[in-house]
Amino acid sequence: AQKITQTQPGMFVQEKEAVTLDCTYDTSDPSYGLFWYKQPSSGEMIFLIYQGSYDQQNATEGRYSLNFQKARKSANLVISASQLGDSAMYFCAMREPRSLGGSYIPTFGRGTSLIVHP
Amino acid sequence: DTEVTQTPKHLVMGMTNKKSLKCEQHMGHRAMYWYKQKAKKPPELMFVYSYEKLSINESVPSRFSPECPNSSLLNLHLHALQPEDSALYLCASSPGEARGWFGNTIYFGEGSWLTVV
Repeated sequence: AQKITQTQPGMFVQEKEAVTLDCTYDTSDPSYGLFWYKQPSSGEMIFLIYQGSYDQQNATEGRYSLNFQKARKSANLVISASQLGDSAMYFCAMREPRSLGGSYIPTFGRGTSLIVHP
Repeated sequence: DTEVTQTPKHLVMGMTNKKSLKCEQHMGHRAMYWYKQKAKKPPELMFVYSYEKLSINESVPSRFSPECPNSSLLNLHLHALQPEDSALYLCASSPGEARGWFGNTIYFGEGSWLTVV
């Protein structure tokens, strides 16, 4: 079963508008971390924002915020005031144990391609 | 700028060649990773080194051989590759990968684009 689900293969947004990229996850461990990465066409995976399973507040980093709804197991990324440079692939990832007492290796969703129109 | 440095950025090799991809980090991280990424797909984990020891091998073919000479360096030796091995190879590092590190970010390098001809 997929651990991380990103249901939007592609999204379009007008410059200066806000956009929400969806991510749902599945885990039975109480300790996990959720991450969002941006990957432009150049290939580099750029870390954007992190949310821990025990964090009470939603994470924010500049124009990025994470809408964390633990009961619904969702961790949506909100980008405010979109810019042309935000056009890229966005990956949601979760770090949870691979086995009891095992390593915390991130699992990636399939990604969402975001295109920002002028 | 990324603090994980990968060289070379682009590599074209024949199926009989031997080449290596190199990765370096100076953040004092003790876990290092190799990922393979095909176009329009998420990264796939290949290997994990923890404290310079191989801790995870995701059943990767033996034509890929990882090496961790010290805590800052990670190599991926390539030999007798196939055209389907053409992909973006990403190196990454994090402070650790045990339970206490679940909240620590994994930082990626810029990747090495590999083409096998």
